[in-house]
Amino acid sequence: SQQGEEDPQALSIQEGENATMNCSYKTSINNLQWYRQNSGRGLVHLILIRSNEREKHSGRLRVTLDTSKKSSSLLITASRAADTASYFCATDVPSSYKLIFGSGTRLLVRP
Amino acid sequence: DTAVSQTPKYLVTQMGNDKSIKCEQNLGHDTMYWYKQDSKKFLKIMFSYNNKELIINETVPNRFSPKSPDKAHLNLHINSLELGDSAVYFCASSHTLPAGELFFGEGSRLTVL
Repeated sequence: SQQGEEDPQALSIQEGENATMNCSYKTSINNLQWYRQNSGRGLVHLILIRSNEREKHSGRLRVTLDTSKKSSSLLITASRAADTASYFCATDVPSSYKLIFGSGTRLLVRP
Repeated sequence: DTAVSQTPKYLVTQMGNDKSIKCEQNLGHDTMYWYKQDSKKFLKIMFSYNNKELIINETVPNRFSPKSPDKAHLNLHINSLELGDSAVYFCASSHTLPAGELFFGEGSRLTVL
């Protein structure tokens, strides 16, 4: 069964605005990751946050994790047209070797 | 140099045929995966090998058979193809277990007619 659900399913913003995507998951985790997928391409790892971390930054990306609510958010600041892609959260399943992906958020950044 | 490479990138075939997709990684990783992405972009794990040993075998039809001749290669063979097998199949690799960062190939789009 699906572990992660992203919200919203689709997001359209103007270049320069911030984009926020949310991910909820069902079971306990060791870490949560975010990936980007450009149209017709493979997924690219963006950032990993461990269960004992609350916030992590990487360039224009900010990820938060709330294990009590079983949720995470990805904030992209000062968005660019090149940020147009689908974004997926992925969670490990403890005691297994699986990395389970959410349903993804399609982000469109309008020039 | 492409880190994770899959061939072919596109595959169009008739129902009932058998086809294979090959994957190779040059990252020195011990673990490789096959994921299936459907038309709604939902990614589902299928198989994983660690050092040529099968460690994840999700509930997929036994028409799908992975093979790992060495830790740098993981191939996927599909027998008796069905319409519902149409999808994009992604190979990925990771350095650590449990799964840390995954490195994905560009995908192989399979269309069954």
